[in-house]
Amino acid sequence: AQTVTQSQPEMSVQEAETVTLSCTYDTSENNYYLFWYKQPPSRQMILVIRQEAYKQQNATENRFSVNFQKAAKSFSLKISDSQLGDTAMYFCASSGTYKYIFGTGTRLKVLA
Amino acid sequence: ETGVTQTPRHLVMGMTNKKSLKCEQHLGHNAMYWYKQSAKKPLELMFVYSLEERVENNSVPSRFSPECPNSSHLFLHLHTLQPEDSALYLCASSPVPGLAAYEQYFGPGTRLTVT
Repeated sequence: AQTVTQSQPEMSVQEAETVTLSCTYDTSENNYYLFWYKQPPSRQMILVIRQEAYKQQNATENRFSVNFQKAAKSFSLKISDSQLGDTAMYFCASSGTYKYIFGTGTRLKVLA
Repeated sequence: ETGVTQTPRHLVMGMTNKKSLKCEQHLGHNAMYWYKQSAKKPLELMFVYSLEERVENNSVPSRFSPECPNSSHLFLHLHTLQPEDSALYLCASSPVPGLAAYEQYFGPGTRLTVT
């Protein structure tokens, strides 16, 4: 069975600093993708970043980057230069054929 | 309207009521999904529709009944719910069914409270 584990229920970071959110996963799929989604308070969930599992290079989107360790089944999200607008729930997810498995989320609060 | 919309945004219903949740996507996608989001639990995938056909049903109780009349609309019919069914119900869509490379686009959700 596919599982996604986020071990940090809540985190906080000072504005302009860097924070790393952890995620580990397990899957039996050969071809899968990994995602980080952001759900701001009372707003829609949106994609932050996506990683193809067959690519060794870590994905980067502006201030967001991942550290993908395939052998360790680890997929952490680094947010650089944190901004108040980054305050949200962050969900790690893995996908396979018709399957999207999400973690329990990490609530991140950016402090002014 | 753009993206994925859901109505109603909030719903309070008694255990004997029958109600329906509606989802509409304006993105031209071919796959649609229902999720249940409860506090401190992983997002639970309930149903997957690919080109209007149901392809996944993850052991969801029969008191939840999905309907997908076309690729743009998805309904979740509710009847004789239990208090533990109170949650945020999210609808999502993705471009290509069955291919997990694509991100999902989520609606704002319906906050359901069962009394």
